[in-house]
Amino acid sequence: AQSVTQLDSHVSVSEGTPVLLRCNYSSSYSPSLFWYVQHPNKGLQLLLKYTSAATLVKGINGFEAEFKKSETSFHLTKPSAHMSDAAEYFCVVSEGGGSYIPTFGRGTSLIVHP
Amino acid sequence: EPEVTQTPSHQVTQMGQEVILRCVPISNHLYFYWYRQILGQKVEFLVSFYNNEISEKSEIFDDQFSVERPDGSNFTLKIRSTKLEDSAMYFCASSEMRVPPADTQYFGPGTRLTVL
Repeated sequence: AQSVTQLDSHVSVSEGTPVLLRCNYSSSYSPSLFWYVQHPNKGLQLLLKYTSAATLVKGINGFEAEFKKSETSFHLTKPSAHMSDAAEYFCVVSEGGGSYIPTFGRGTSLIVHP
Repeated sequence: EPEVTQTPSHQVTQMGQEVILRCVPISNHLYFYWYRQILGQKVEFLVSFYNNEISEKSEIFDDQFSVERPDGSNFTLKIRSTKLEDSAMYFCASSEMRVPPADTQYFGPGTRLTVL
């Protein structure tokens, strides 16, 4: 069985400071992991994904995430927050093994202060 | 850039009525999905669809729900007799394939369903 936990429901940062959104997962197989972003009244947009290639994954808009199997984590980071990064972020796991039903985390709301 | 579209953006209905939510997936994609998100809760998988049949469905997707690809472009979710608890945001998604690397799902903006 697979599950995903986003450790923070809200993260508040100042513009120009680093962003860290935390995600832990559990999976019985070798999972695919995704981060999606949702801006108000918009659909979910893929930021990046991990599918057993390089453990450090670079995505759009300067975001990256590192897959750490030993810690079962897939935290999302960005060196310098921008006001436009304010949105809801979802960590998603899809473990394969014959089923491709993804499991979403509850989401983390990123607030960026000027 | 191609995108998934959904109509309507907001649907209000009376309990017991049938609703049809519509989606136009990205044109070269083969797999289609519906999800829902009840206010304040997680995004939940409902169903996946490939080659004109359901590939997988969750326990939420009971006999009240059905999906259809009535033509070459639309993908619909029907709820036969809506209940108050069906009130949620419904997202459609599509992907080229179901396995990496082409398994990325592209989501539409959602339809907010309100059941009164």
